Amino acid sequence: NAGVTQTPKFQVLKTGQSMTLQCAQDMNHNSMYWYRQDPGMGLRLIYYSASEGTTDKGEVPNGYNVSRLNKREFSLRLESAAPSQTSVYFCASTSDRARRGYTFGSGTRLTVV
Amino acid sequence: QKEVEQNSGPLSVPEGAIASLNCTYSDRGSQSFFWYRQYSGKSPELIMFIYSNGDKEDGRFTAQLNKASQYVSLLIRDSQPSDSATYLCAVNNGGSNYKLTFGKGTLLTVNP
Repeated sequence: NAGVTQTPKFQVLKTGQSMTLQCAQDMNHNSMYWYRQDPGMGLRLIYYSASEGTTDKGEVPNGYNVSRLNKREFSLRLESAAPSQTSVYFCASTSDRARRGYTFGSGTRLTVV
Repeated sequence: QKEVEQNSGPLSVPEGAIASLNCTYSDRGSQSFFWYRQYSGKSPELIMFIYSNGDKEDGRFTAQLNKASQYVSLLIRDSQPSDSATYLCAVNNGGSNYKLTFGKGTLLTVNP
């Protein structure tokens, strides 16, 4: 019963490098989300996928792209990493119109140097 | 811009006391409300959700909702040092995208 699995847990990138953060859920949830969390800023929505086959921008989408590969998987890509993208990234999923909130993954701590 | 406001704290209470955490929200159309607990270096975990005005109790936790005042609170009775964490308030405005808007969180410290 894994829930939401994120990989990797830690990553250090150089400015300009690219990488993809992976997220998979095994709860048959329809909706998936990517947030970033910075000190003093709370959780901010980057992109979301309300259902398989759809993706939409959240509050802070610049510098990111996403792919909803199938119902289980939702990846976040940084094409050209910048130090401002140093953050902790959380993937979350939900069903039943989010009436019971989200289930979060364990997070990816990303540092861009 | 839909906003969720929380006092950042830190809120410090002695062990055994009641901790009271507060949250206000700007969108009157909001339909469901959540409290998450986040330990340092960990991911948020859901501890309570509430949809209707009034109180909802679960063990030592009570969530209170007042939609007219756009206010939701969390009471923690008999606070324990293990309750020391950041508490995040989240609000669902009921749209088809099922997005939650989070407050910035209140840091609670329970002193032995």
